[in-house]
Amino acid sequence: EAGVAQSPRYKIIEKRQSVAFWCNPISGHATLYWYQQILGQGPKLLIQFQNNGVVDDSQLPKDRFSAERLKGVDSTLKIQPAKLEDSAVYLCASSSPSGGNYNEQFFGPGTRLTVL
Amino acid sequence: GDSVTQMEGPVTLSEEAFLTINCTYTATGYPSLFWYVQYPGEGLQLLLKATKADDKGSNKGFEATYRKETTSFHLEKGSVQVSDSAVYFCALRHQGGSEKLVFGKGTKLTVNP
Repeated sequence: EAGVAQSPRYKIIEKRQSVAFWCNPISGHATLYWYQQILGQGPKLLIQFQNNGVVDDSQLPKDRFSAERLKGVDSTLKIQPAKLEDSAVYLCASSSPSGGNYNEQFFGPGTRLTVL
Repeated sequence: GDSVTQMEGPVTLSEEAFLTINCTYTATGYPSLFWYVQYPGEGLQLLLKATKADDKGSNKGFEATYRKETTSFHLEKGSVQVSDSAVYFCALRHQGGSEKLVFGKGTKLTVNP
């Protein structure tokens, strides 16, 4: 079974530019997450989708970050305009309801963003 | 709000040494607790989990016990190998509602031969 796919793996941009990341979850997984992992810190949830609806975006800086999950499959995360403090690894994860009380999240390899 | 505190790293051990990485949490109710591992160049992988008090999660020789009275979930392994070198993250998740994971800062472990 293919894992969570993300692209690009690396991106370098200058501040005030825009950038977009793409994620394709594991086939059949209804829930998709975007996390931000700043160097030296643990991942922090930015947004969670259930199919194509938003479940939690309380920590998404909505003045510059946006995300969509059209058709409830793959997703894009956009930053416009980027700031220096947006330099981080952006992780995508997906999960599927298993009928129990725990749905394991499977993580992609991440996109490392450097803002100069 | 919810938070997870891990021991500061990095941790450097010799092969076959005993490993403990401390993790404590602050949360309302009864969260589920997890340890994730990130090997060099790879994505986060679930190592083990515990969903209620006194549960012990175990995998690949690693163990952690959910201690509600001390709000802790310390990771242990009796004999580490070079291949265990990685960054380890402790995390919690609440039952119901958003399924977001709240992570600690991570502890980098290096095991020398």
